[in-house]
Amino acid sequence: GIQVEQSPPDLILQEGANSTLRCNFSDSVNNLQWFHQNPWGQLINLFYIPSGTKQNGRLSATTVATERYSLLYISSSQTTDSGVYFCAVPGGGKLIFGQGTELSVKP
Amino acid sequence: EAQVTQNPRYLITVTGKKLTVTCSQNMNHEYMSWYRQDPGLGLRQIYYSMNVEVTDKGDVPEGYKVSRKEKRNFPLILESPSPNQTSLYFCASTRGGGETGELFFGEGSRLTVL
Repeated sequence: GIQVEQSPPDLILQEGANSTLRCNFSDSVNNLQWFHQNPWGQLINLFYIPSGTKQNGRLSATTVATERYSLLYISSSQTTDSGVYFCAVPGGGKLIFGQGTELSVKP
Repeated sequence: EAQVTQNPRYLITVTGKKLTVTCSQNMNHEYMSWYRQDPGLGLRQIYYSMNVEVTDKGDVPEGYKVSRKEKRNFPLILESPSPNQTSLYFCASTRGGGETGELFFGEGSRLTVL
């Protein structure tokens, strides 16, 4: 089945710094989603991005479907950005999730 | 406001005592699903439903039941909970249908079985 790999697994930033999270997938897909799980456990839908680039405030995402990867950019990070970021792609009749990138933003 | 609502959010129960976690969505989505999240194992799908009266097993269905009598509701039933069902549970609703649509999670239900 399709494999989804995220990097880096962990990331520590100082508030105000920028970061790029990566999601690689092993087969062609027709959609990709990014989620943020906050420290209270809630899973928030960030982007639904089969291809191209989308922006929402300080966050943006780019998916290059032909090269089988997606990037999530966080600019001017804030402590509230802390948590785990997951990407997910469809495969075998369900969504396949990556293992996540755990981000910690220090004040 | 478009949302997926789960209840209860937190529950501590004992082995064998039947419980139901409710899930309701107000977005008129046909596809709904349940996941559990455990440390080191990630998110795993328990059951899914493609429409009213249509449900199917996901990756880890043992010990769970579901029903889909109305489009908006998709309850998860633990007939005889056991400690290995201690987990964080998420209900989800998908816009656009199936696994290719855009998925929205509920707030999560943290269940502890003693």
